[in-house]
Amino acid sequence: DAKTTQPTSMDCAEGRAANLPCNHSTISGNEYVYWYRQIHSQGPQYIIHGLKNNETNEMASLIITEDRKSSTLILPHATLRDTAVYYCIVRVYNQGGKLIFGQGTELSVKP
Amino acid sequence: GAVVSQHPSRVICKSGTSVKIECRSLDFQATTMFWYRQFPKKSLMLMATSNEGSKATYEQGVEKDKFLINHASLTLSTLTVTSAHPEDSSFYICSARGEDRGWTDTQYFGPGTRLTVL
Repeated sequence: DAKTTQPTSMDCAEGRAANLPCNHSTISGNEYVYWYRQIHSQGPQYIIHGLKNNETNEMASLIITEDRKSSTLILPHATLRDTAVYYCIVRVYNQGGKLIFGQGTELSVKP
Repeated sequence: GAVVSQHPSRVICKSGTSVKIECRSLDFQATTMFWYRQFPKKSLMLMATSNEGSKATYEQGVEKDKFLINHASLTLSTLTVTSAHPEDSSFYICSARGEDRGWTDTQYFGPGTRLTVL
């Protein structure tokens, strides 16, 4: 079973920041948080991952709380092409690092 | 980023036939590959994990004789759906994990294969 919970859906205005929350209260100390997104009828696209420090790349920023029980993915300037299902995944160490997908958040970016 | 391809992107077959789907890592060597399936409006479900040169490990409830997985090289894994039936119609997605620097290596996904069984 997935170790994360996310809101089912969210809306965001084009050009504004999209903040997608994720709860992972049972995360263990050596387990990473990964974010992927899936645009309709395509394979998931890797966005970012982190362990305990905040991370930033050209796509997004990942903010992980100090207790590591939750995180937020930030898309700084959302565009219509960012409309997708966003998956927050805890990579479980004792399961060979495989990725178990939860239900994700359906983000709709509106003009 | 790393590129994973799948072929074919779409296949339609008659009930009772077998269908083979290929998954290739184009610019890196993948010691581990994964196969997922996804039904409409649902999340991805992991079917099996395959390591190059060894037998695949199937998730609970996935029929290994139904879904044959071969990972013969570091860049190619195949999924064969044997004696396909309409309930096997689904979106099949593979992913590959990069050179084994550890279990935290990033997984990259293929574009998926839409299987329709008539």
